[in-house]
Amino acid sequence: QQPVQSPQAVILREGEDAVINCSSSKALYSVHWYRQKHGEAPIFLMILLKGGEQKGHDKISASFNEKKQQSSLYLTASQLSYSGTYFCGTERLNRDDKIIFGKGTRLHILP
Amino acid sequence: EAGVAQSPRYKIIEKRQSVAFWCNPISGHATLYWYQQILGQGPKLLIQFQNNGVVDDSQLPKDRFSAERLKGVDSTLKIQPAKLEDSAVYLCASSSQRGPYEQYFGPGTRLTVT
Repeated sequence: QQPVQSPQAVILREGEDAVINCSSSKALYSVHWYRQKHGEAPIFLMILLKGGEQKGHDKISASFNEKKQQSSLYLTASQLSYSGTYFCGTERLNRDDKIIFGKGTRLHILP
Repeated sequence: EAGVAQSPRYKIIEKRQSVAFWCNPISGHATLYWYQQILGQGPKLLIQFQNNGVVDDSQLPKDRFSAERLKGVDSTLKIQPAKLEDSAVYLCASSSQRGPYEQYFGPGTRLTVT
């Protein structure tokens, strides 16, 4: 039931691109993306709803493939500030309002 | 706009002792969540309130955990008695309404049970 994130960890140099994937075995209504820096609270990035929409702001974007129950987060031209752990949270199609978070993907950006 | 407030920020107790955490959500937010985050894991929902009513508490260990949200604003989460495996960060979050909306997280309370 918990979504599976991949990769578990990634190290990049500043300016490189990254893709973080999130997949579920259950039919989904929405996918939520958060970033958490060490010792801090998770910060909201974006929500994607059933319908396969793609969202983005600045150089961070995401897509949701409802047929495959997968979402991908794209970080373009990564900046040092992008470092942290990225969590996807999924809400099932039954609309129970419950968000189940994955184990996270640790992203470290080197200068 | 003030964020979600939590206290205390840190707590160390011995097993079998009790502990309580407090959360003040963003003003006007009807939905309040308590999450448990074990080191290296994603947040795990313990309980969700809509105003002062419980929406979901299916993952709350009710033999030792309890939570309340009086008057639909502040909330407290209590553990009694604590076990070693309760060591975690307890996060409170709020959102303006139920459903697929942004959740605003508080700074969390780091609990260490020895």
